[in-house]
Formats: sequence, C-alpha cells, structure tokens
Amino acid sequence: GEDVEQSLFLSVREGDSSVINCTYTDSSSTYLYWYKQEPGAGLQLLTYIFSNMDMKQDQRLTVLLNKKDKHLSLRIADTQTGDSAIYFCAESTGTASKLTFGTGTRLQVTL
Amino acid sequence: GAVVSQHPSRVICKSGTSVKIECRSLDFQATTMFWYRQFPKQSLMLMATSNEGSKATYEQGVEKDKFLINHASLTLSTLTVTSAHPEDSSFYICSARGVSAREGGAQYFGPGTRLLVL
Repeated sequence: GEDVEQSLFLSVREGDSSVINCTYTDSSSTYLYWYKQEPGAGLQLLTYIFSNMDMKQDQRLTVLLNKKDKHLSLRIADTQTGDSAIYFCAESTGTASKLTFGTGTRLQVTL
Repeated sequence: GAVVSQHPSRVICKSGTSVKIECRSLDFQATTMFWYRQFPKQSLMLMATSNEGSKATYEQGVEKDKFLINHASLTLSTLTVTSAHPEDSSFYICSARGVSAREGGAQYFGPGTRLLVL
C-alpha cells in the first residue's frame, strides 16, 4: 500500500528557516498537502500542491515537489515560536480520494 | 471559510455506555466526511468515510457495529461509540470535503473530541 514517511523531530532557532521533508511511494499521487496540528487540536490545512507543479509559495511557506524522487518539502521562512506544532504531509490520488498521512514531524522553535 | 466544528470537545463516560460525537461543516456543504482516530504522538488513523445519504465505508479492522456513523445531511455527520470500553479512549477527529472539492480536494478538520472511558 501507499507509504508516506517523515522525520520525527526538527528543532530550529527563532528567525531561522525550517525545512520539513516528506517522501511518498505512490506514483499516482495527484495532490500533496501540508497540515499543521497544535497540541490538543485538529489539523489545519496550510497549503497543497498539484503533482504537475514543482514549487508553490504562499507568504512564509514554500513547498517544493520532486516528483521523480517522490520527495516533498515545506520550508517555513523566519520561523516563529507560534510555528511550534506537528506538521503532517498527506497525499491523495484525486480530489475524491482518501488522504494518506505521513507520520508527522514535531517542530520545536527555540529562542 | 471551510470551518468544521465538533461537539463535544471532551467527554468522560462510564464503561458500557454509548457516546455520540457530532461533526458539522459550518460554512460549506460536505458531500463526504471522514472519521479518524489519533493515539498519542501518532498519526491519524482513518476509521471510515461517509457520504451524505448512504452507508459509511469502514476501514479494515474497524467494527461498524461498534462505531456507528450517520451522515444525514450535507452539513452533519455523527459518530456513535456504542458500549464504550477503556480501550476506546482516544482522540477522535472528523474532517469534511466540500461539494466543490476546492483546494485540491483537501479535507478540512474539526478540532477533535477527546474521549475517556472509565
């Protein structure tokens, strides 16, 4: 079945850039998403990218997609303490399909 | 836009009782709603997919008689945990996908319900 992998933990200093990586196995993935989960809360959609795109930028967030290597990354510029959370990447094979979630990366922002 | 609410946010119940959790899409119509379970420090586990007006599709290993799902309207789905036991204690999260499948068919998540069965 489909598999989505992420590193478990990332620690960065406030003001630095954070890069969270994700790899997936399903070559038919059409849409890829990044969600943020704060403690005790649901998931917040941050951004998504269509598989025919290489990059998408939205304010402090930059998503890079390497479809050949099945690698997705999320870069957060000027990381703030409020960015501390768990970040999940997810993929689907179509707009009506289920999401397959990664294991989640806990981002810790230090002063 | 794309706000999803869940009620209650937290519930404590006795073993053997049933608990109902509501999931509502507040500002959009959702043809499809999803129910997930999340264990501490783990990813989300999809339990079932429900489409408005039809029976839910359960994932392998999820007991449909244990976790009853009703999706009676385009804005409301309910999950009932029947005869709850301590091992059902968990964080339950719902999500909804809009009729227009905007933002690449993204799912919008509720804030979650923490269930504790004593």
